[in-house]
Amino acid sequence: GDSVTQMEGPVTLSEEAFLTINCTYTATGYPSLFWYVQYPGEGLQLLLKATKADDKGSNKGFEATYRKETTSFHLEKGSVQVSDSAVYFCAISGGSYIPTFGRGTSLIVHP
Amino acid sequence: GAVVSQHPSRVICKSGTSVKIECRSLDFQATTMFWYRQFPKQSLMLMATSNEGSKATYEQGVEKDKFLINHASLTLSTLTVTSAHPEDSSFYICSARDFTSGGKGETQYFGPGTRLLVL
Repeated sequence: GDSVTQMEGPVTLSEEAFLTINCTYTATGYPSLFWYVQYPGEGLQLLLKATKADDKGSNKGFEATYRKETTSFHLEKGSVQVSDSAVYFCAISGGSYIPTFGRGTSLIVHP
Repeated sequence: GAVVSQHPSRVICKSGTSVKIECRSLDFQATTMFWYRQFPKQSLMLMATSNEGSKATYEQGVEKDKFLINHASLTLSTLTVTSAHPEDSSFYICSARDFTSGGKGETQYFGPGTRLLVL
């Protein structure tokens, strides 16, 4: 079945540092790829998505590119802020449109 | 983006009582909603798929008599935890697929979650 592997956290950075959270997947066909963010005590919010190979999803300074050749969808941001501290989930969605989530990566940004 | 609400956001109940959690799609119709459970510092576990006008589809290992799901309208699904026990304490999150924004429904929009504590 489909699976998602995310780098284990927590990832701890200083404000304005560069962020990369790795995500790789295994799936049949051509899934859609997503990054969701969960702030403490809240539900998940869609951060960005890409639905086909080489698409780049972007939002709030975050971006990720759908790399079919490496089955990856790494999340990046050039300059993180304290307010970006949250848990980030990578997810894929195939024909059934029921997403498979990674385990989540906690990001902690210090001032 | 589409908005999904949940009510209540937090509930504390005594062991043996039943608790109902509502999930509403506020600005779109959702023929399908999903219920997840999340344990501390873990990912989401899909419990069931709620289909408007028909029975819910439960994932393996989820007790359908324990977690009753009703999808009474295109904007409302409810999850009732019957005879709740402390081990049912968790964070419950619903989501819905939006087919009305020009997409294929591949994106799920999540509610803010309901934290259940059973004493």
